[in-house]
Amino acid sequence: SYVLTQPPSVSVAPGQTARITCGGNNIGSKSVHWYQQKPGQAPVLVVYDDSDRPSGIPERFSGSNSGNTAALTISRVEAGDEADYYCQVWDSRSDVVFGGGTKLTVL
Amino acid sequence: QVQLVESGGGVVQPGGSLRLSCAASGFTFSSYGMHWVRQAPGKGLEWVALIRYDGSNKYYADSVKGRFTISRDNSKNTLYLQMNSLRAEDTAVYYCAKAGGTGIDYWGQGTLVTVSS
Repeated sequence: SYVLTQPPSVSVAPGQTARITCGGNNIGSKSVHWYQQKPGQAPVLVVYDDSDRPSGIPERFSGSNSGNTAALTISRVEAGDEADYYCQVWDSRSDVVFGGGTKLTVL
Repeated sequence: QVQLVESGGGVVQPGGSLRLSCAASGFTFSSYGMHWVRQAPGKGLEWVALIRYDGSNKYYADSVKGRFTISRDNSKNTLYLQMNSLRAEDTAVYYCAKAGGTGIDYWGQGTLVTVSS
């Protein structure tokens, strides 16, 4: 089955840039989606198809995908960005696959 | 605006059954695939099942295959998840979610299923 690997945690100071990675075999050939989940809330889509943003999502959120690594980058991090972040792809053999999640801590 | 409202969660004994429902509004339900995704307490997201817009194709995670059945009633704008032979490891918040391309663009607030004796 297809596996997505995320770091368990990332820490960043307010105003700095956070980069959350998502590793997978030849993930660059797939479309990657990113979700933000705050405690006690449902996930929210923040980036889809590698680098597109849904309406209402700040431009500070951006995505990239190449080779074996996709990444979510959050610029000018704010306290309100503290959350769990999950990457996700569709794989022809495994169907829908989520990464294990990364907890973003704003110091 | 898109709204997805789950119901049917609760406490059930191991080996028991439960049916979850998801009432959809704010979009043309019959035009979109729908997912169930679950999250065990303190754990990450786990995809459970997907049904195509017309119910023609259904896909399941290996962990629930043969025990869970996803279905939909497009005349009622409602998605279902029939869960049989429930196990302790099925304890989770179950989210109904709207497919957007190969991802998920909207999520419900979830309903908690607890499998315990």
